Amino acid sequence: DGGITQSPKYLFRKEGQNVTLSCEQNLNHDAMYWYRQDPGQGLRLIYYSQIVNDFQKGDIAEGYSVSREKKESFPLTVTSAQKNPTAFYLCASSKRDNYGYTFGSGTRLTVV
Amino acid sequence: KQEVTQIPAALSVPEGENLVLNCSFTDSAIYNLQWFRQDPGKGLTSLLLIQSSQREQTSGRLNASLDKSSGRSTLYIAASQPGDSATYLCAVGNQAGTALIFGKGTTLSVSS
Repeated sequence: DGGITQSPKYLFRKEGQNVTLSCEQNLNHDAMYWYRQDPGQGLRLIYYSQIVNDFQKGDIAEGYSVSREKKESFPLTVTSAQKNPTAFYLCASSKRDNYGYTFGSGTRLTVV
Repeated sequence: KQEVTQIPAALSVPEGENLVLNCSFTDSAIYNLQWFRQDPGKGLTSLLLIQSSQREQTSGRLNASLDKSSGRSTLYIAASQPGDSATYLCAVGNQAGTALIFGKGTTLSVSS
């Protein structure tokens, strides 16, 4: 079955450490997105990509980086510059006109 | 900048009641609007998508309406059931190919 896979489900990061969250889709969608969800804050956009080798910053891109080398994959790196990374991270993909917006099951990142 | 607001933030109803969730947006020049459902600790599931040229969409017991001129959408749930308990999020697409902008959601609890 087609879908989006996020891994790992839970991730623990030490202070000053970079970590990478994986997002893979087999829906043949052109666009992919990363959102951050904090309690009571709703979803906030970190980065999105409409085509391979191209991506745009969202509202809260500082301290994060992404790559889009393959259509199926859109990994997110949380760098040490992100001072408050503890949150629930959601990856999504869609056709270019926002049809078929599909979310992964999320990665919960905790700083220890 | 587009802002999406959902009222109320939380709602509790007895089983069988019909209910309405509200969503408002500040810029009426939208491309589409979508409603999602999120269960605790999970990703989002798409419920309904309304294109800017449409007035409403229906799926089973769910009906979503769109009034662009007033910047409002409503999600009507008929004959609510305990299984409907979840957080419902409204999201707006400003242009084709851009990322959705989300409200903070309404958390619904349906008691049996």
